[in-house]
Amino acid sequence: DTEVTQTPKHLVMGMTNKKSLKCEQHMGHRAMYWYKQKAKKPPELMFVYSYEKLSINESVPSRFSPECPNSSLLNLHLHALQPEDSALYLCASSHPGGGNTGELFFGEGSRLTVL
Amino acid sequence: RKEVEQDPGPFNVPEGATVAFNCTYSNSASQSFFWYRQDCRKEPKLLMSVYSSGNEDGRFTAQLNRASQYISLLIRDSKLSDSATYLCVVTSTGTASKLTFGTGTRLQVTL
Repeated sequence: DTEVTQTPKHLVMGMTNKKSLKCEQHMGHRAMYWYKQKAKKPPELMFVYSYEKLSINESVPSRFSPECPNSSLLNLHLHALQPEDSALYLCASSHPGGGNTGELFFGEGSRLTVL
Repeated sequence: RKEVEQDPGPFNVPEGATVAFNCTYSNSASQSFFWYRQDCRKEPKLLMSVYSSGNEDGRFTAQLNRASQYISLLIRDSKLSDSATYLCVVTSTGTASKLTFGTGTRLQVTL
């Protein structure tokens, strides 16, 4: 079982709704990530937090708003989404500079459907 | 040109076969290289890192050719449980936290 927990596992929302995706890890990792994955496509990086500070934003539309309240938690706030935003949203964590070791620990993902 | 490219497959092989995947990357400044495995409707998991000298982990062998900018993964004695999508992953200089995933190669091992 993954040590990165994501909730909810499934979410259906309308284009006017506001919802949040949550991610939690207790491995002491200080880097946390949001990825978006469409069917039959690879994960695409959205945001990276390092030591609770946003370090990478891959030009993600402002209708996605990340938040890192503490070293164990990562949220993704969703507002006014479009149907094309429907995807699997994966949270991951690693030691900072996790890119050098390549070991990202992924959660099972939150499958989002926007109607 | 995509940063990291792979043949999407699928590769359909019988049990016991040897299969090889290649991956090419466009950024010559790329620093680190990995293979991840993703099962259907599951999250990606690290399979192995790829070193310039080549490395082996049981039935899996990974190699890196920096001059030609490609990475390979060889699976010997394929098992049914090897059926999955194999993702080539690359990190770039100066962005140690930014892993770029290839499109993935789907492997189906059959009886």
